[in-house]
Amino acid sequence: EIVMTQSPDTLSVSPGERATLSCWASQSVGSSLAWYQQKPGQAPRLIIYGASTRAAGIPAKFSGSGSGTDFTLHISSLQSEDFAVYYCQQYNNWPLTFGGGTKVEIK
Amino acid sequence: EVKLLESGGGLVQPGGSLRLSCVASGLNFNSYAMNWVRQAPGKGLEWVSSITGGGGATTYYSDSATGRFTISRDSSKNTLYLQMNALRVEDTAVYYCAKPSQFGFHFESWGQGVLVTVSS
Repeated sequence: EIVMTQSPDTLSVSPGERATLSCWASQSVGSSLAWYQQKPGQAPRLIIYGASTRAAGIPAKFSGSGSGTDFTLHISSLQSEDFAVYYCQQYNNWPLTFGGGTKVEIK
Repeated sequence: EVKLLESGGGLVQPGGSLRLSCVASGLNFNSYAMNWVRQAPGKGLEWVSSITGGGGATTYYSDSATGRFTISRDSSKNTLYLQMNALRVEDTAVYYCAKPSQFGFHFESWGQGVLVTVSS
């Protein structure tokens, strides 16, 4: 099983600032990496797939990078609606696995 | 617009069974693999099971689901199922039905989720 590790667990960011979230895979997943945003009481929403491709309707303030085992999600100029928990997920191998999540909170 | 609507959750005793359903609309249901993902209270996301589309119906399970859960689909009803047997307290979670994109097993559409509580 590929273990996905996210860092940090919690990221405190002031509105208007940029956030950088990290995700590591225990073995290479190529570019088969997705990022999700989840707000309290809601289902997750796909943000990025293929490590760097924004999903439909996702603004350009969200950008993903990386390949192999190291991945990054950047969120520029955070607004109130961006404060949420973010999960990475690999879909290169079975079983599909998620990272533990990074909570982006208001500083 | 794709819509996924789960049902069938509730309170069940340890060792009991439950069948979840997910009715899909707004898509060619038979063409897509379908999936179950769960989230224990206050915890992260955990993939549970997938079933391929296109008539092949190959199934995949997490270790925790293997041997106890069965995923299936009825294309005539646009419905995905998850039969859960021998339920454990640790199966308590919100269960989401999720549709992948055409580009891989990442999930572009999600249902609202259904709560399963396993408790005596």
